[in-house]
Amino acid sequence: AQTVTQSQPEMSVQEAETVTLSCTYDTSESDYYLFWYKQPPSRQMILVIRQEAYKQQNATENRFSVNFQKAAKSFSLKISDSQLGDAAMYFCAYRSREGSQGNLIFGKGTKLSVKP
Amino acid sequence: GAGVSQSPSNKVTEKGKDVELRCDPISGHTALYWYRQRLGQGLEFLIYFQGNSAPDKSGLPSDRFSAERTGESVSTLTIQRTQQEDSAVYLCASSFGRQLNEKLFFGSGTQLSVL
Repeated sequence: AQTVTQSQPEMSVQEAETVTLSCTYDTSESDYYLFWYKQPPSRQMILVIRQEAYKQQNATENRFSVNFQKAAKSFSLKISDSQLGDAAMYFCAYRSREGSQGNLIFGKGTKLSVKP
Repeated sequence: GAGVSQSPSNKVTEKGKDVELRCDPISGHTALYWYRQRLGQGLEFLIYFQGNSAPDKSGLPSDRFSAERTGESVSTLTIQRTQQEDSAVYLCASSFGRQLNEKLFFGSGTQLSVL
């Protein structure tokens, strides 16, 4: 079974600085999807960025980018020019190309604080 | 509607009572998902609907949990004979149901507290 591990329960960054959140996963599959979701205090999960395993190029979305290392099974999220609104829980997630569409596997999350 | 709507926002119940949690997905979304989020934990998959059928209900933790969906609309998650271990936030999400890498749209969840 696939697992997702986020080893940093909490992280802190100064406003306008850069922070990297770690995520590793375990799978025997060669093709899959990876996601980062943000959960603010409102509890509503919001997709930040996604990556397809067969694509070597790292995904970017404005200030958010990933460092996808397939061999190492690592999928870290880099937030540049951090803003106060970036403060939230961040969850890394894995979805297999096989099996159920519903089985999006989440890590336990990293709580990001942004200091003014 | 504009987004995924869940009700109630908060529910406090006594151990042994039944509860119903409701989810209104975004119009046109054929896929609907239920997740459970215990305090300090990630999301646990419960069940997935495509239309009104549930091809994957492997995450339902026990036979006290059930869910149904009316067409491509409202879904209800029912927990019978609630236990304290059922206390969690229950999140619903919907999507177009066409691609595995598609974005899921989440509601704000129902915070269930079992006393």
